[in-house]
Amino acid sequence: DGGITQSPKYLFRKEGQNVTLSCEQNLNHDAMYWYRQDPGQGLRLIYYSQIVNDFQKGDIAEGYSVSREKKESFPLTVTSAQKNPTAFYLCASSTPAYEQYFGPGTRLTVT
Amino acid sequence: GESVGLHLPTLSVQEGDNSIINCAYSNSASDYFIWYKQESGKGPQFIIDIRSNMDKRQGQRVTVLLNKTVKHLSLQIAATQPGDSAVYFCAEEDSSYKLIFGSGTRLLVRP
Repeated sequence: DGGITQSPKYLFRKEGQNVTLSCEQNLNHDAMYWYRQDPGQGLRLIYYSQIVNDFQKGDIAEGYSVSREKKESFPLTVTSAQKNPTAFYLCASSTPAYEQYFGPGTRLTVT
Repeated sequence: GESVGLHLPTLSVQEGDNSIINCAYSNSASDYFIWYKQESGKGPQFIIDIRSNMDKRQGQRVTVLLNKTVKHLSLQIAATQPGDSAVYFCAEEDSSYKLIFGSGTRLLVRP
């Protein structure tokens, strides 16, 4: 089964803790993306990576960090510096200039 | 700057009727556009795409129209069904292969 997996589906953390969200793809895509979605809103780009060992900030990168050590994996860390981390996080992958495929998302709640 | 927006935040249609969801974009240099469907609590699902060298593209029960003169994109769904109820996003690809999403239109299908 080819696709993108994100785990866990729901995640709860206390304020001040860092948390890492997993994203894995077996589509052999070079590019991977992380988005944040707030209720009733569109998707905002956090970070993206077009190739292994390289990544760029998106529109709302502050308080987040990523790594791309393997083609299949693009984990996102939500740090304690992120002022409002509670949101729905979506990972996607693509071949550039073609559609992005999205994972099922991780809903993070920080209290 | 680049932006993608939607005219109607909520569209309510009778089951069996046709639905039209509209989208405006501002970057005349964009040459790839995608429509996604997102059901509650899930990741966006690809519906159909179109490149700027086309005016129209048809899929199964869906048609995307691109009017480059007025920078307008529309998604037409024929014989709308209850399973079509969701939020629909248009997205525009920029020169770095990043997608810029609109805020979405919620489609409600009345039985």
